[in-house]
Amino acid sequence: QVQLIQSGAEVKKPGASVKVSCKVSGHTLTELSMHWVRQAPGKGLEWMGGFDPENGETIYAQKFQGRVTMTEDTSTETAYMDLRSLRSEDTAVYYCATRRDVLTGFFLDAFDTWGQGTVVTVSS
Amino acid sequence: DIQLTQSPSSVSASVGDRVIITCRASQAFSSGVPLAWYQQKAGKAPKLLIYHASSLQGGVPSRFSGGGSGTNFTLTISSLQPEDFATYSCQQANSFPRGFTFGPGTKVDIK
Repeated sequence: QVQLIQSGAEVKKPGASVKVSCKVSGHTLTELSMHWVRQAPGKGLEWMGGFDPENGETIYAQKFQGRVTMTEDTSTETAYMDLRSLRSEDTAVYYCATRRDVLTGFFLDAFDTWGQGTVVTVSS
Repeated sequence: DIQLTQSPSSVSASVGDRVIITCRASQAFSSGVPLAWYQQKAGKAPKLLIYHASSLQGGVPSRFSGGGSGTNFTLTISSLQPEDFATYSCQQANSFPRGFTFGPGTKVDIK
């Protein structure tokens, strides 16, 4: 069974950066297609980017291009999302989520397993 | 990019009711039906219910079903249970440019 455990809540000032981690257990990180999704208070879900196994590269939503970097550390089976130049509108819960269906082994065009979420608050 | 809208934005229903939520895409998908549905309870991560518009994810009760084609898709809860009060969101996958988009969500609460 795949489990994703995320790092704890963060409070940052405008202009700062935040790095959220997502540790994988029960599966190999590089075989999961890890993505990041955020949810501002009272708002809907917003996809930020992730690893696309179809073309073998990390893809980012245009809205976050140049401001976000997603990486994977295979030695610790941990994925990271680094968001820079934070502003108040970045206050949200950030989730890691994977596209691999752990029951069938196929990649879905959806997100099967989710982390518990990391609250990031941006405030002066 | 394909945009998603959902209706209604909220619905009040009773246990045992049949609930239908609609998700409309701004254009038809170029290939397949990469449309998924999620359930999200307050303070929790989303849970995948349906993928490929109508495939039930493992472990999801059979009272949940998905349907539709083209640009109009539905999530049906055949007999609402107390644990089903939550927010439901649809999600689609773009082929070009590659990416994912979520609908705004539909809140199902107790009547």
